[in-house]
Amino acid sequence: NAGVTQTPKFRVLKTGQSMTLLCAQDMNHEYMYWYRQDPGMGLRLIHYSVGEGTTAKGEVPDGYNVSRLKKQNFLLGLESAAPSQTSVYFCASSYGTVPNQPQHFGDGTRLSIL
Amino acid sequence: AQSVTQLDSQVPVFEEAPVELRCNYSSSVSVYLFWYVQYPNQGLQLLLKYLSGSTLVKGINGFEAEFNKSQTSFHLRKPSVHISDTAEYFCAVSDYSGGYQKVTFGIGTKLQVIP
Repeated sequence: NAGVTQTPKFRVLKTGQSMTLLCAQDMNHEYMYWYRQDPGMGLRLIHYSVGEGTTAKGEVPDGYNVSRLKKQNFLLGLESAAPSQTSVYFCASSYGTVPNQPQHFGDGTRLSIL
Repeated sequence: AQSVTQLDSQVPVFEEAPVELRCNYSSSVSVYLFWYVQYPNQGLQLLLKYLSGSTLVKGINGFEAEFNKSQTSFHLRKPSVHISDTAEYFCAVSDYSGGYQKVTFGIGTKLQVIP
């Protein structure tokens, strides 16, 4: 059982380039989330999805777009990367329909923007 | 609005000594509380959770936490730490608001176990 899988694990981009981070979960979870983790700031929610075909903004959505075309996949896109987007990105999933369920996390994507 | 405060950013402790990592929360509705652990270069893993019932919650790897409603705290404890406990620990509060499960994380506490 793979759980939550993120690809790629590492990436270096130049300012202005675009890329897509992929998250896949095999637990049939309804809810999926994208966070970024920066030193001293904990995890901040970028976007989330409450089901296939739905997305919504989180705490820090600017500069990112997402899509959830299939229930098991949640894509995070950077259209024009900026150095401020250098971070570790985590995807998570949960049953979500009740708040007492924990989130399951991937191992992260370490992204550097030069 | 909910919030989580982890009072210590780093906690050094000698191996086999006890440790307490502090967490205070605020929320306007009933909450569910979690502790997650993050080992280097890995994602967060669930350590334990408080949903209801007994205020003392036991988790994996010998950790436990006590929910104190009057103090709005959920401190994490272990009576004797091991080198392998060196990691970052995140307290989180979850509720259902705005149509989705909203989870707010603290900024994390780095536990450094000294041999």
